[in-house]
Amino acid sequence: QQQVKQSPQSLIVQKGGISIINCAYENTAFDYFPWYQQFPGKGPALLIAIRPDVSEKKEGRFTISFNKSAKQFSLHIMDSQPGDSATYFCAAETGANNLFFGTGTRLTVIP
Amino acid sequence: NAGVMQNPRHLVRRRGQEARLRCSPMKGHSHVYWYRQLPEEGLKFMVYLQKENIIDESGMPKERFSAEFPKEGPSILRIQQVVRGDSAAYFCASSSLTGSSYNEQFFGPGTRLTVL
Repeated sequence: QQQVKQSPQSLIVQKGGISIINCAYENTAFDYFPWYQQFPGKGPALLIAIRPDVSEKKEGRFTISFNKSAKQFSLHIMDSQPGDSATYFCAAETGANNLFFGTGTRLTVIP
Repeated sequence: NAGVMQNPRHLVRRRGQEARLRCSPMKGHSHVYWYRQLPEEGLKFMVYLQKENIIDESGMPKERFSAEFPKEGPSILRIQQVVRGDSAAYFCASSSLTGSSYNEQFFGPGTRLTVL
């Protein structure tokens, strides 16, 4: 059973556009929601993370929006660049220290 | 400060052989996690270890898979009698915190196992 559902599976965005990736969860015990970026042949790298006591967190061009009542969170990449082309994974953790990952979104930013 | 190191990066085994994957955590980290990633899928948690202790192995297959993190040396994920379905990328992550929601896990580059 997939504990964290992620969409879309793939996304193509023009350079300068906004990339939006959505995730949803059911387990209300989750209390930490990181996003990871993975380039081909590499391990995932933490991009940005949020706790459920805030509704938004912004770091540079990357913003997480969090809706606790809907049990949904999303990643927005503003002014998307070709270098942002990668696979993005949302994840969730209960504090038991193991992360539950979404299935990933392959982002392609076209020049 | 070296990151999480994994070796080998690529491993080819024939069905029935054993695979040993090694992970050296970041300096100062005493918590290690193993994840498996099948092609076009997200990472699936396998096991969480601290030095000399398995804390959570709820994601480990019941047979053929084992993991250890000895007092000295790297963490080892061992797969006995490999089958084609074991072909995947295996990632190790390490962290320095426990019981915290900000338990940032740092991932290694992965070992890509191919079973012929």
